[in-house]
Amino acid sequence: DAGVIQSPRHEVTEMGQEVTLRCKPISGHNSLFWYRQTMMRGLELLIYFNNNVPIDDSGMPEDRFSAKMPNASFSTLKIQPSEPRDSAVYFCATAQGSHTGELFFGEGSRLTVL
Amino acid sequence: AQKITQTQPGMFVQEKEAVTLDCTYDTSDQSYGLFWYKQPSSGEMIFLIYQGSYDEQNATEGRYSLNFQKARKSANLVISASQLGDSAMYFCAMRSYTGTASKLTFGTGTRLQVTL
Repeated sequence: DAGVIQSPRHEVTEMGQEVTLRCKPISGHNSLFWYRQTMMRGLELLIYFNNNVPIDDSGMPEDRFSAKMPNASFSTLKIQPSEPRDSAVYFCATAQGSHTGELFFGEGSRLTVL
Repeated sequence: AQKITQTQPGMFVQEKEAVTLDCTYDTSDQSYGLFWYKQPSSGEMIFLIYQGSYDEQNATEGRYSLNFQKARKSANLVISASQLGDSAMYFCAMRSYTGTASKLTFGTGTRLQVTL
């Protein structure tokens, strides 16, 4: 079975540019999570969806960040405009249930903003 | 609010020895799950083991076991017979089973180095 698929794996961009990260969840998983990992702050939850509906976006740093889940098989995390402090690894993870079970992680998207 | 505390930033263990990675948690929820993930230097997050708050027996998965002490709110990971490939970051995490949905909250991690 295919796991969680994220793209791009690596992105280097310049400050001010728009960045879009993509995630394809495991089929049948109805919860989707976006995490950000940095050395300074560790793993931070940005937003999570249940049945395509955003449940908690309190971790989204500011208005420059937005996330969508238009259907059960696709989600995006967009940063506009990007800043150097957004440089991090962004993970998408999914789970089968809204409450139970482990999260399955994608391989992450490493973002570098110059 | 949930909180996970991992007080050991780094640990060393000799190959073939056992090692315990500490994890304490704080929650007011009665129903929750505790997880351990491994993150090798390649960066992927690998699920290792799960313990439910109502499980009476400690979880085991191969060389991994979870020492669950509910009254102390601790969920330590024990790795037996350490191998060089166990060198990685290890994260403890918790997911509460109340409300409309629940998120996974992570600790800050422990970096384990297995030596010859």
